[in-house]
Amino acid sequence: QSVLTQPPSVSGAPGQRVTISCTGSSSNIGAGYDVHWYQQLPGTAPKLLIYESNNRPSGVPDRFAGSKSGTSASLAITGLQAEDEADYYCQSYDSSQSGVVFGGGTKLTVL
Amino acid sequence: QVQLVQSGAEVKKPGAPVKVSCKASGYTFTSYYLHWVRQAPGQGLEWMGIINPSGGITTYAQKFQGRVTMTRDTSTSTVYMELSSLTYEDTAVYFCARVTFGSSGYYFDYWGQGTLVTVSS
Repeated sequence: QSVLTQPPSVSGAPGQRVTISCTGSSSNIGAGYDVHWYQQLPGTAPKLLIYESNNRPSGVPDRFAGSKSGTSASLAITGLQAEDEADYYCQSYDSSQSGVVFGGGTKLTVL
Repeated sequence: QVQLVQSGAEVKKPGAPVKVSCKASGYTFTSYYLHWVRQAPGQGLEWMGIINPSGGITTYAQKFQGRVTMTRDTSTSTVYMELSSLTYEDTAVYFCARVTFGSSGYYFDYWGQGTLVTVSS
């Protein structure tokens, strides 16, 4: 049972827009801690996709955008491409656990 | 460029310990904390703990306290994660990851390639 809750899977056709939610609580996202997102392609290490809720590292396309409100955060992917098919994880800090917490991950399928 | 290069795959028997290394390069080793994160087959990411390479101070996730030890060697810019009393549930890919502090919290900006640890009798 992950501290941050994500849908197990989402899907969309090429060119469409999908969103992935990440729901936390008052001890993590709701406490004001930033949310970060990672993309993990099969058999590889996670890659930083979004940091501090809505910032993209150099090289990440602007098709990826993050947002945060209250105890939740979201990752939006527009103009879906086949190469976006991967697992996506949200991450934050939890004061009650005094450490890093992850969402359970969401598998994105591009139809 | 920043690189975190981990040691190779391990096969261990139940009850044995395992020690995984992570060699950093391309940045000042003592300026960034390093974390360990594991991923069981088909499962999500699980945070294990953090080490400050500068002073060697560690913080472990409650689940692993008493069973994990993280150390560092500043002469070789390498951090180590040793997990003892292995069980089949410890079969996973273990990642080291460098952390950068943000305005409120921190995130992992570079990851090692991962080390598969298989526990098998």
